[in-house]
Amino acid sequence: SQQGEEDPQALSIQEGENATMNCSYKTSINNLQWYRQNSGRGLVHLILIRSNEREKHSGRLRVTLDTSKKSSSLLITASRAADTASYFCATRADSSYKLIFGSGTRLLVRP
Amino acid sequence: DAGITQSPRHKVTETGTPVTLRCHQTENHRYMYWYRQDPGHGLRLIHYSYGVKDTDKGEVSDGYSVSRSKTEDFLLTLESATSSQTSVYFCAITGQGTDEQYFGPGTRLTVT
Repeated sequence: SQQGEEDPQALSIQEGENATMNCSYKTSINNLQWYRQNSGRGLVHLILIRSNEREKHSGRLRVTLDTSKKSSSLLITASRAADTASYFCATRADSSYKLIFGSGTRLLVRP
Repeated sequence: DAGITQSPRHKVTETGTPVTLRCHQTENHRYMYWYRQDPGHGLRLIHYSYGVKDTDKGEVSDGYSVSRSKTEDFLLTLESATSSQTSVYFCAITGQGTDEQYFGPGTRLTVT
């Protein structure tokens, strides 16, 4: 069963707007990661946030983590057409080498 | 793509035939993973390896076997391919002390 579930499944915005995607998970985690996948390509790691962190930034990306609600959000500010892709959250539990991926959010940024 | 290659990139095969997919890395990383990606399911872990000859099952391992005789190569075998194994297969690696995974370009497998 999926550990992480993204919301919304699809998002369409205008270039320059902000995009927010959410991820919910079910069990305790060691860390949560976000990945991007362009059409026909492999996944690319974006950012990792550990269970003892609440917020993290990387360029135009801002990730928050609320372990009490078992949820995370990814904010992409000032979106560009090149941000068009699918975005996945993935969680790793303590004492596990495995990542469990959600089903993803498809983001379309219209020029 | 972090020194990861997959071969073949595309394959069409018939039901009941054996198929082997290869993942090759040049990073000397310890951990390697095989996933499948299907619409509506995200990525699901098939098998993973934590060292040469050390492998373990993921969440969708039925019908698949793996082998790792060298650090750089991780093979995924479908002993008798079925139409339900039509999918895109991704290999990934992580290094020691890191949780970030780096993915190969994928193999699109069609079983007719």
